[in-house]
Amino acid sequence: GQQLNQSPQSMFIQEGEDVSMNCTSSSIFNTWLWYKQDPGEGPVLLIALYKAGELTSNGRLTAQFGITRKDSFLNISASIPSDVGIYFCAGRLEGAQKLVFGQGTRLTINP
Amino acid sequence: DAMVIQNPRYQVTQFGKPVTLSCSQTLNHNVMYWYQQKSSQAPKLLFHYYDKDFNNEADTPDNFQSRRPNTSFCFLDIRSPGLGDAAMYLCATSRERKSYTQYFGPGTRLTVL
Repeated sequence: GQQLNQSPQSMFIQEGEDVSMNCTSSSIFNTWLWYKQDPGEGPVLLIALYKAGELTSNGRLTAQFGITRKDSFLNISASIPSDVGIYFCAGRLEGAQKLVFGQGTRLTINP
Repeated sequence: DAMVIQNPRYQVTQFGKPVTLSCSQTLNHNVMYWYQQKSSQAPKLLFHYYDKDFNNEADTPDNFQSRRPNTSFCFLDIRSPGLGDAAMYLCATSRERKSYTQYFGPGTRLTVL
């Protein structure tokens, strides 16, 4: 089935560094969602994007809906230890109802 | 606070012994979803209810069933769990079918012995 290419698969950074991850596809998406999942917990919605070009912030997090509607990125500024976890992008293809998930980016932070 | 609740958080069952996982929501959302998530993988949609309308994914095994007795509750029944069914099971909700923002519960970790 249709998949999103999420990269990088994992990141190892120092506390205080900025983080950038993205999701790309060859298909057009109408919605992009970014989730964070801690071990043993369900995904928590971080940011939802509904329009091409939309740029939305949530505290230190910023996400953008790509102009081509085929990609989205998530930035985290000044990372802190509680940012550790797995970040998933999810999108809805044009004409479809269910979400397609990326494979996740595992973020590890060295204090 | 409005939320999605899953019980139990951890469930242990024996090979072949039926098990039921439950999900409740106080968001008054019309759509409820069940996902299966295996270690280090993305969630995989099993089925969803739009109100009382059940929608099964084509590749969901017959071993998995679901019930939604009312707006607030949804159950996942695994009739004869196999070792391969050990996973995290996630319930999610969205306001309407065309409201694609989904809110997840904390999940139930199923272990099959």
